[in-house]
Amino acid sequence: SAVISQKPSRDICQRGTSLTIQCQVDSQVTMMFWYRQQPGQSLTLIATANQGSEATYESGFVIDKFPISRPNLTFSTLTVSNMSPEDSSIYLCSVGLLSGNTIYFGEGSWLTVV
Amino acid sequence: AQSVTQLDSHVSVSEGTPVLLRCNYSSSYSPSLFWYVQHPNKGLQLLLKYTSAATLVKGINGFEAEFKKSETSFHLTKPSAHMSDAAEYFCVVSVKGSSNTGKLIFGQGTTLQVKP
Repeated sequence: SAVISQKPSRDICQRGTSLTIQCQVDSQVTMMFWYRQQPGQSLTLIATANQGSEATYESGFVIDKFPISRPNLTFSTLTVSNMSPEDSSIYLCSVGLLSGNTIYFGEGSWLTVV
Repeated sequence: AQSVTQLDSHVSVSEGTPVLLRCNYSSSYSPSLFWYVQHPNKGLQLLLKYTSAATLVKGINGFEAEFKKSETSFHLTKPSAHMSDAAEYFCVVSVKGSSNTGKLIFGQGTTLQVKP
């Protein structure tokens, strides 16, 4: 299994500012992903965080708005840039292990933009 | 392309009665399917997963799901609901990528209400 720590767990942000969310895993994992869950909605994949290279973004998400880093196999960051109230969401980090074919999720970072 | 459809956005049961949460999937190859639960103001917890082994999958907290290829279904059941089961449930399919663990596609979720 994998234990995932996300920081911050919650934050209230001013519009126009940027916030970086950190995701730390307690073991080396192959795949890391970032998801968004808007209020009352399901989860949508933002991007795959690739170790040592640029993230792979899903349709509707761009690097300028959601820059992602993954400097090693256990750590990744997601930045939400130039925030607006529409960015108020839960942002979740998830990781995949080759063994067991299971995806694990962090507790999420609950962002409110005012 | 893979997709999942949760047939009920809201299910209400009485405590002690059976639970059935319905999910249909679409996949061009043998899928990996999951059920996750999200309690209010909590993160996601894996209930169970299907990865082409036994078609009847047993999970945590008394939940189980049966993979039916002929019906493209993966319904979640529990014989007797408990108040603590009240939560949001997501049916999820894994998109196969270059590794065995791929991206996930989430259904829209089913809110389970348990009445005393």
